[in-house]
Amino acid sequence: QVQLQESGPGLVKPSETLSLTCAVSGYSISSGYYWGWIRQPPGKGLEWIGSIYHSGSTYYNPSLKSRVTISVDTSKNQFSLKLSSVTAADTAVYYCARHSLGSGYEYWGQGTLVTVSS
Amino acid sequence: NFMLTQPHSVSESPGKTVTISCTRSSGSIASNYVQWYQQRPGSSPTTVIYEDNQRPSGVPDRFSGSIDSSSNSASLTISGLKTEDEADYYCQSYDSSNHHVVFGGGTKLTVL
Repeated sequence: QVQLQESGPGLVKPSETLSLTCAVSGYSISSGYYWGWIRQPPGKGLEWIGSIYHSGSTYYNPSLKSRVTISVDTSKNQFSLKLSSVTAADTAVYYCARHSLGSGYEYWGQGTLVTVSS
Repeated sequence: NFMLTQPHSVSESPGKTVTISCTRSSGSIASNYVQWYQQRPGSSPTTVIYEDNQRPSGVPDRFSGSIDSSSNSASLTISGLKTEDEADYYCQSYDSSNHHVVFGGGTKLTVL
């Protein structure tokens, strides 16, 4: 069974960089699929942040592109998110998930709440 | 990117049928598959429909999906509503020209 687990600080100061990692078990990232990040501000809808293909190609939401970096570490079977220059508007539950280009998100992490506050 | 527009909320009584729409702003709805996710409070989303009209194993056949090219929209229909169906529902598709993911704004379903 494929499982994903987010980890990282739950509190980040404004203007700093938010860093999260998603550990994957039950499937090798290098074998295929897209691996992505989605966020959900409190009481609001889902927002796609970006995805990385198993080959290393990355795709980002245009509204966040200048601040986002997604990378993969195949040796640890995990992928990561960095979001720079955060503000209170970046406060959200951050999910990592596996998806295919046509068939959607099949596996999700449980989500982790990141609060941006001084 | 195109946008996917959903009604903010819908409500219906137990045992009835409800349909949630998802309208694509530009380009053909048939160009890329549409998925539907159910999200209960405090939980991660789960797939109820993928590839326009396919149900994952374990999803009851009360859930069905379709697309309508004339209205350029996708629909999620839930029949025989149960109180446990009360949740937020999101449609999702792709822009295959740039591999970007697009989510609808979500619809809150109330079963009362």
